[in-house]
Amino acid sequence: SAVISQKPSRDICQRGTSLTIQCQVDSQVTMMFWYRQQPGQSLTLIATANQGSEATYESGFVIDKFPISRPNLTFSTLTVSNMSPEDSSIYLCSVDSTGGTEAFFGQGTRLTVV
Amino acid sequence: QKEVEQNSGPLSVPEGAIASLNCTYSDRGSQSFFWYRQYSGKSPELIMFIYSNGDKEDGRFTAQLNKASQYVSLLIRDSQPSDSATYLCAVGLASNYQLIWGAGTKLIIKP
Repeated sequence: SAVISQKPSRDICQRGTSLTIQCQVDSQVTMMFWYRQQPGQSLTLIATANQGSEATYESGFVIDKFPISRPNLTFSTLTVSNMSPEDSSIYLCSVDSTGGTEAFFGQGTRLTVV
Repeated sequence: QKEVEQNSGPLSVPEGAIASLNCTYSDRGSQSFFWYRQYSGKSPELIMFIYSNGDKEDGRFTAQLNKASQYVSLLIRDSQPSDSATYLCAVGLASNYQLIWGAGTKLIIKP
């Protein structure tokens, strides 16, 4: 399985500001995903980060609010822009396994917007 | 809309007993099925996957898949307090690489 480093692990941010979350993988992976998990809830897919092209966003999520970069096969960033308290959540980076569809996760970023 | 359903629980099981967790899915063409364990404040970790009908055993864990009935289950034998966590069922769609996630079942193992 891949080793995934995600940072920051947590942050407290002022409303109206932006936070960029980084995800680094120890091997090249095809698919990288960004999820949000609100307290007591399951995972909601924000977008799929595609290397060399724009991310693919799920319904309800837009690029202006959650810009994503994927400059190579081992790294991606998710920015949460113009934050409001409703953005307080855990954000998770995930990668697929080689030849399979099972997902492996970074440690998550616990974001609190005040 | 592709869906994965789980009982949210909490499911309370005495230590040493068998914990049974169930999941149903709507996409009949789904090919891959996963169980993840998530401790409070931690990210999900993969504990089992199954692709074919029948049972798959790994230590104290057994995954069961019945594609005709569209359900997948996870049995945990000799339950331990350390098994207390939320268990997430995820299903891989036939059409693409995405996983569809259930809401999770909270399992409590009582000493």
